[in-house]
Amino acid sequence: GQQLNQSPQSMFIQEGEDVSMNCTSSSIFNTWLWYKQDPGEGPVLLIALYKAGELTSNGRLTAQFGITRKDSFLNISASIPSDVGIYFCAGQRYNQGGKLIFGQGTELSVKP
Amino acid sequence: DAGVTQSPTHLIKTRGQQVTLRCSPKSGHDTVSWYQQALGQGPQFIFQYYEEEERQRGNFPDRFSGHQFPNYSSELNVNALLLGDSALYLCASSPIPGQGEETQYFGPGTRLLVL
Repeated sequence: GQQLNQSPQSMFIQEGEDVSMNCTSSSIFNTWLWYKQDPGEGPVLLIALYKAGELTSNGRLTAQFGITRKDSFLNISASIPSDVGIYFCAGQRYNQGGKLIFGQGTELSVKP
Repeated sequence: DAGVTQSPTHLIKTRGQQVTLRCSPKSGHDTVSWYQQALGQGPQFIFQYYEEEERQRGNFPDRFSGHQFPNYSSELNVNALLLGDSALYLCASSPIPGQGEETQYFGPGTRLLVL
């Protein structure tokens, strides 16, 4: 089953607002990834984080690898309608090979 | 540069049947992972193939099996289908393990419906 707690589960925001979502775990991960999934499609990689404390941006998106290695957050600035979708965090541990463990997802809806 | 491709896009089967899903990795990648995504859930890891061998396996029964070919493409086979096997099956590819970043890139998925 899932080992990552992602919150919030869903959110409605006004266009132009900033968005924050986070992911927590009871155990350490070596890599944190953030994906976006649109209906009927596969997840698309947004940001990858490889070091504790790392802060990485991709356009309007910013993500951080928590210093304890047990959490990560994703911020979206100045949201636009195309930001609608489901955002997933995923963690990976070195001793588990290529296995990614996913959160439950955050569904983002934007009011125009 | 072709990304990860999967076939078929949709499939309908009945209980007890067998199904084979196919995946071609992104150019330059030789590791393929398979995930099952039930409606409203995050993807669940099934297994990963590298150098034509199963490298890592998740908590799925033996009814789920796979194969990787010399050209790095992969198949997922599911035997004795159950209603609960209905899901989106995702394939992800990544670069050679142990050579730095192993970020996984996903294909569009195959939607399987078991009746």
